[in-house]
Amino acid sequence: DAMVIQNPRYQVTQFGKPVTLSCSQTLNHNVMYWYQQKSSQAPKLLFHYYDKDFNNEADTPDNFQSRRPNTSFCFLDIRSPGLGDAAMYLCATSGGTSGSYEQYFGPGTRLTVT
Amino acid sequence: KNQVEQSPQSLIILEGKNCTLQCNYTVSPFSNLRWYKQDTGRGPVSLTIMTFSENTKSNGRYTATLDADTKQSSLHITASQLSDSASYICVVSGNSGGYQKVTFGTGTKLQVIP
Repeated sequence: DAMVIQNPRYQVTQFGKPVTLSCSQTLNHNVMYWYQQKSSQAPKLLFHYYDKDFNNEADTPDNFQSRRPNTSFCFLDIRSPGLGDAAMYLCATSGGTSGSYEQYFGPGTRLTVT
Repeated sequence: KNQVEQSPQSLIILEGKNCTLQCNYTVSPFSNLRWYKQDTGRGPVSLTIMTFSENTKSNGRYTATLDADTKQSSLHITASQLSDSASYICVVSGNSGGYQKVTFGTGTKLQVIP
């Protein structure tokens, strides 16, 4: 049973053309995270929501925005994708923000920028 | 600075053989350590989790060990199968209370060949 769903799995966008990636969860978790993972690198946290509270990482570019309209859904908006934004984007959820809570990851969306 | 280092970066083994992956961390204070398996193009899936007081944890053919004094962990895979080919990521979390970012290692890429 799918618990964290990401759509689409593969996304191609043009340089500078806004793109939105979506994530939904059936776990009813409070926290949803967005990570960026480039080839052979560790996932890098972009931001997370605790319920409706948005928490941005200090080094996340302004080009990246997020929306969480309800518990189940969270979106990642890239306003003006550059070639350097090509990566795998992972959505994760957890029942709380303490490190003791496991993060459940979705399958990821691979973004290509042409 | 919290860091998680994994070795080797990549490994090729014959099907049926055993292997051991290493993880050294400098995350402090320590809450727990997880090993994730990430198939190519997929999100990470949790294999084991260990807290400070746990020395070993098994999940089928996967056995993780933790030495909190030396801040080292290992993941031992027994009787490897072709489906074990993946990246294995060590993830360390800070305090158990309040929000703590998890720190990801860059992973060990394992290839099991017939």
